[in-house]
Amino acid sequence: GENVEQHPSTLSVQEGDSAVIKCTYSDSASNYFPWYKQELGKRPQLIIDIRSNVGEKKDQRIAVTLNKTAKHFSLHITETQPEDSAVYFCAASTASSASKIIFGSGTRLSIRP
Amino acid sequence: DAMVIQNPRYQVTQFGKPVTLSCSQTLNHNVMYWYQQKSSQAPKLLFHYYDKDFNNEADTPDNFQSRRPNTSFCFLDIRSPGLGDAAMYLCATSRDRAADEQFFGPGTRLTVL
Repeated sequence: GENVEQHPSTLSVQEGDSAVIKCTYSDSASNYFPWYKQELGKRPQLIIDIRSNVGEKKDQRIAVTLNKTAKHFSLHITETQPEDSAVYFCAASTASSASKIIFGSGTRLSIRP
Repeated sequence: DAMVIQNPRYQVTQFGKPVTLSCSQTLNHNVMYWYQQKSSQAPKLLFHYYDKDFNNEADTPDNFQSRRPNTSFCFLDIRSPGLGDAAMYLCATSRDRAADEQFFGPGTRLTVL
């Protein structure tokens, strides 16, 4: 089955700097890659997703890149702000896994003022 | 507003005393999920329903059961809660396929005394 690995587990960056979180997946049939942000005590919320037919997607300060050959995808946050502090989870799904997604282990991002 | 609702938000039970958590949705989504999330970990899928079809994860203990009486409601029954079952339980929905965004409810935090 699918396995998703996520690095780093913790990340601390200076406010205004960029943050990058990386994930790798094992199933070459995976075709959908969402990223979720979870603030302390709150529900996970989708912040951006990408499908296997594109290599990059951007939404304001957030971008995701996908390298299907290498089976990895990354989240990029530019001009970080204090409200970006949270745990971020990558995930992947395949057509063969029916309705479920496989989560990475999470990255705790802290923004230093 | 269309949303995923979980009740109660906080549940305290005694060791071995059955407990039921509920989830409802106004999104009219076909798929409903139950996740268990422990501190600093990724959500762990327990099971999901695609419409009326129940899909259990291989490593979900028999102690956990679920019911989906109609499209809008889904229940998680823990027959004999142990101390290790203390966690946040998240309900989520998606429109149809895994490649659709999952919408999470606010969660129910379960404490086992």
